[in-house]
Amino acid sequence: ETGVTQTPRHLVMGMTNKKSLKCEQHLGHNAMYWYKQSAKKPLELMFVYSLEERVENNSVPSRFSPECPNSSHLFLHLHTLQPEDSALYLCASSQDFSGVGTGELFFGEGSRLTVL
Amino acid sequence: GENVEQHPSTLSVQEGDSAVIKCTYSDSASNYFPWYKQELGKGPQLIIDIRSNVGEKKDQRIAVTLNKTAKHFSLHITETQPEDSAVYFCAAPSRRSQGNLIFGKGTKLSVKP
Repeated sequence: ETGVTQTPRHLVMGMTNKKSLKCEQHLGHNAMYWYKQSAKKPLELMFVYSLEERVENNSVPSRFSPECPNSSHLFLHLHTLQPEDSALYLCASSQDFSGVGTGELFFGEGSRLTVL
Repeated sequence: GENVEQHPSTLSVQEGDSAVIKCTYSDSASNYFPWYKQELGKGPQLIIDIRSNVGEKKDQRIAVTLNKTAKHFSLHITETQPEDSAVYFCAAPSRRSQGNLIFGKGTKLSVKP
């Protein structure tokens, strides 16, 4: 496999469920990201990890919990979500997290989440 | 606050025509402006970017122009083809969040054969 892969591609969950999104990058990159993409809204950065350390937490509610066990894997743990959390969650990676505008983001195809 | 305004939100052109998408940004210190293309069911993919030390950059049928004085930049696609149909996003760096990009809301381009 190449690039950035995300699983599952689609997820439906109730508000009391606990689920996780998984992302894996095969590019040898050092930085990984979670973005949220909602209809008619810009892409929103949620979390950034650089060399497995969280470097950015963009005021995301605690019902979203990221985990980065190594530089190739990134998880987003979900619990007690709200219907307004329904969106496409995109994982991305870049060679490094070394400052503004220095590197291309490589996105996965996303996990489409529906919260009932 | 920081923002990137993108227009139009939808654009429909005939195959072979040109398409232009415009973005404005608020931070005059911004120095990097990428464009991403998102096809249906896929993640965004970088198609071209420009840095503030140049006014124009071209790659085959796509080009980006930058006007730092007016704080706007544009994507130009010439000789459009049906496979150009997608959502296009512009972006600019965030001053508040080092390493982050502020994205526009996107333009859905439809190229009719």
